Amino acid sequence: DVKVTQSSRYLVKRTGEKVFLECVQDMDHENMFWYRQDPGLGLRLIYFSYDVKMKEKGDIPEGYSVSREKKERFSLILESASTNQTSMYLCASSLARKNEKLFFGSGTQLSVL
Amino acid sequence: QKEVEQDPGPLSVPEGAIVSLNCTYSNSAFQYFMWYRQYSRKGPELLMYTYSSGNKEDGRFTAQVDKSSKYISLFIRDSQPSDSATYLCAMTPSNDYKLSFGAGTTVTVRA
Repeated sequence: DVKVTQSSRYLVKRTGEKVFLECVQDMDHENMFWYRQDPGLGLRLIYFSYDVKMKEKGDIPEGYSVSREKKERFSLILESASTNQTSMYLCASSLARKNEKLFFGSGTQLSVL
Repeated sequence: QKEVEQDPGPLSVPEGAIVSLNCTYSNSAFQYFMWYRQYSRKGPELLMYTYSSGNKEDGRFTAQVDKSSKYISLFIRDSQPSDSATYLCAMTPSNDYKLSFGAGTTVTVRA
């Protein structure tokens, strides 16, 4: 069974902390994505990557960075967490030129206090 | 104005009813139209996708796309309590481009 695994289900961090969210996929997918999901706003794309060491900004990249050192792993970094980054974070992956079929992880609910 | 508009509901229906969900969009370049289903405390999963206009049926689910009206629909026939979830529409101009999502509609099917 194909799988996208996010390292934490719930995280509580303090304002100003550096936060790492990890995502691993076992499907040999080229593309990986980080979204945040907020009530009434749907899914908003933060960053995506089409290949190892490649990254592209999504719609809301401010305050975030990413790292993709290996094909199966895509990390989202909050350099200095702020309360407005409290959200559900979802990682997804897809095959090249198959973005209509995204595979999502179960999400990380991050609370920044 | 958002690129994709979707009524967040919530929608509550009795078991066996037909559920009707829809989205409107503004970008005429969209060619791929998807419906994702998201159960509570889970990530979304692809339910159906349609390329360009027309209808697509899969069991109790029917997806419709009307590009002239920039309007897509999802119908669930003979709804079951297991269909209780949030349904998100998504669309993209190309299968190698990012998706634009609606806000999601939360559906509850009452036994």
